[in-house]
Amino acid sequence: QVQLQQWGAGLLKPSETLSLTCDVYGRAFNDYYWSWIRQPPGKGLEWIGEITDSESSNYNPSLKSRVTISVDTAKNQFSLKLTSVTAADTAVYYCAASPRLAFEGPWSYRLAYWGQGTLVTVSS
Amino acid sequence: EVVMTQSPATLSVSPGERATLSCRASQSVSSNLAWYQQKPGQAPRLLIYGASTRATGIPATFSGSGSGTEFTLTITSLQSEDFAVYYCQQYDNWPRTFGQGTKVEIK
Repeated sequence: QVQLQQWGAGLLKPSETLSLTCDVYGRAFNDYYWSWIRQPPGKGLEWIGEITDSESSNYNPSLKSRVTISVDTAKNQFSLKLTSVTAADTAVYYCAASPRLAFEGPWSYRLAYWGQGTLVTVSS
Repeated sequence: EVVMTQSPATLSVSPGERATLSCRASQSVSSNLAWYQQKPGQAPRLLIYGASTRATGIPATFSGSGSGTEFTLTITSLQSEDFAVYYCQQYDNWPRTFGQGTKVEIK
């Protein structure tokens, strides 16, 4: 059973860089999509991006110019960096994981594991 | 980008009754669709993937159906713990996109 424990700064000023890390415990499969999702207060979920253990990444085009997701398999963690934040980036940020099972084919995906969420507030 | 549209925005249901939630994709996503449940202050919880496969530990009162552009999540005999917000997500294309959510509230 995978458990995700996320951490990082919760209060930023405009133009600063958001940095969050997700520690992974109990991984059971060889490969995963390591993902970040955010949720502005009172609103719905927005997919930010993902990375696999082989470091293949995909990002939401709306954030792509400012986002970097990285993985460190030796440390069992993955991270999110979002540059030049504004008030519009205020949200609860979640890390999440999907096992990537070869026998299921190219669309093996489901966000079965989630971190506890981190509220990131951007304010001057 | 595939736009996911959920309806209704809010569904008022009495305990013990059935709830039917809809999710429509702006283009075909085959069966590459998941459903999540979110309660206030909590992370989302996976319910269904592959449009109709229940995730581990999800009771049979939850069922998913559909393919292509039209999907349905059905909750039979609603219990108090089922009142929450439900999101669909397509993973057929990048970016992976969520619907805006359906809130199931007590009537």
